Amino acid sequence: DAGVTQSPTHLIKTRGQQVTLRCSPKSGHDTVSWYQQALGQGPQFIFQYYEEEERQRGNFPDRFSGHQFPNYSSELNVNALLLGDSALYLCASSSLYSVNEQFFGPGTRLTVL
Amino acid sequence: AQTVTQSQPEMSVQEAETVTLSCTYDTSENNYYLFWYKQPPSRQMILVIRQEAYKQQNATENRFSVNFQKAAKSFSLKISDSQLGDTAMYFCAFMKPRISNFGNEKLTFGTGTRLTIIP
Repeated sequence: DAGVTQSPTHLIKTRGQQVTLRCSPKSGHDTVSWYQQALGQGPQFIFQYYEEEERQRGNFPDRFSGHQFPNYSSELNVNALLLGDSALYLCASSSLYSVNEQFFGPGTRLTVL
Repeated sequence: AQTVTQSQPEMSVQEAETVTLSCTYDTSENNYYLFWYKQPPSRQMILVIRQEAYKQQNATENRFSVNFQKAAKSFSLKISDSQLGDTAMYFCAFMKPRISNFGNEKLTFGTGTRLTIIP
């Protein structure tokens, strides 16, 4: 049983560009949450998708957007990249039946030059 | 809004010794969940232990146990017989109970404690 997978592992972009990160949830999970982890910090909640809709959103600008597909996989899009967007982006999956546990993927390291 | 504070940025301990990591939090909720996550250099966030606030008994998972003090809003992690593989960042996290049928609640994390086990 594959756990949460994310792609790509690493990504280098320049300021002003756009990026798309991908996440496949653990088998049986239907909810995907995205977190941003800056260097030396704890993860910060970006948003959560359930039933292909954004259900909750953290304090992130509209440059951060997402999507969830019918197979529960998800994408995180960031437009007009800033140097401060450099971080580890973590995806976590859960289900209504695992309400008190979220399973994390290995993350995507984004570097903005 | 909930906040989670970890006041020990770094700790180190000799292999086989016991170490305690501290965490405090602030919330107006009466029921909630608390977690300790481990993040080794591989970056994968791994759940170590969880505690439900309505349970008075402290959670235990093998060498890992917590001291949950609800009134003091304190949630410390004790690692017994520490092993080299315990070297990692440790994050304390808080989650409110789910109140809707549309998704789950978000995790609020502390800033982490970098734990080094010395051979």
